[in-house]
Amino acid sequence: EVQLVESGGGLIQPGGSLRLSCAASGFTVSSNYMSWVRQAPGKGLEWVSVIYSGGSTYYADSVKGRFTISRDNSKNTLYLQMNSLRAEDTAVYYCARLTEIAAFDYWGQGTLVTVSS
Amino acid sequence: DIVLTQSPATLSLSPGERATLSCRASQTISSYLAWYQQKPGQAPRLLIYDASNRATGIPARFSGSGSGTDFTLTISNLEPEDFAVYYCQQRNNWLYTFGQGTKLEIK
Repeated sequence: EVQLVESGGGLIQPGGSLRLSCAASGFTVSSNYMSWVRQAPGKGLEWVSVIYSGGSTYYADSVKGRFTISRDNSKNTLYLQMNSLRAEDTAVYYCARLTEIAAFDYWGQGTLVTVSS
Repeated sequence: DIVLTQSPATLSLSPGERATLSCRASQTISSYLAWYQQKPGQAPRLLIYDASNRATGIPARFSGSGSGTDFTLTISNLEPEDFAVYYCQQRNNWLYTFGQGTKLEIK
């Protein structure tokens, strides 16, 4: 059974850093495309970043230069390193598996990041 | 960047009715158009991929259609559990975007 479990969210001050983790089971992270999608309170979905099986990474303009997506193959885990956090980064962050035809077929339950002083 | 515009923002219908949700792209996109359902406090669930293919376990009352810039999600014979927010999503090169969502509410 495919499962994604995020962790690492919490309350952080503006300008701070946080690392989110997404532990996967039932499939191999390194053989798949993986992504982070976020949702601000009461708002819609916003794609954040993707890492392809070959290792290429891409980011939304809103987080480029501040966020870094990575994976640990030995732990079958996806990460999102978030630096220089802003109030507008406050959201539930979901990790999701991305199919080769560009659909997010499995999602984690999400982890809440709150950026506030 | 391609913008996906969903309409209507809110759709009020009764169980048993047919729902038609629209997703319009700001320019022609590939068939890599997906639809998701999200209920309060839950993660989104993939319904339709590649514009018209149902994901695993999705009931036949959900169908997708369209090409170019105009795409439609149709839910026939609404069940009580279908009332939720629906999002469309596309990929353009390496950039992924979502529509702003349509809330399907009980009339």
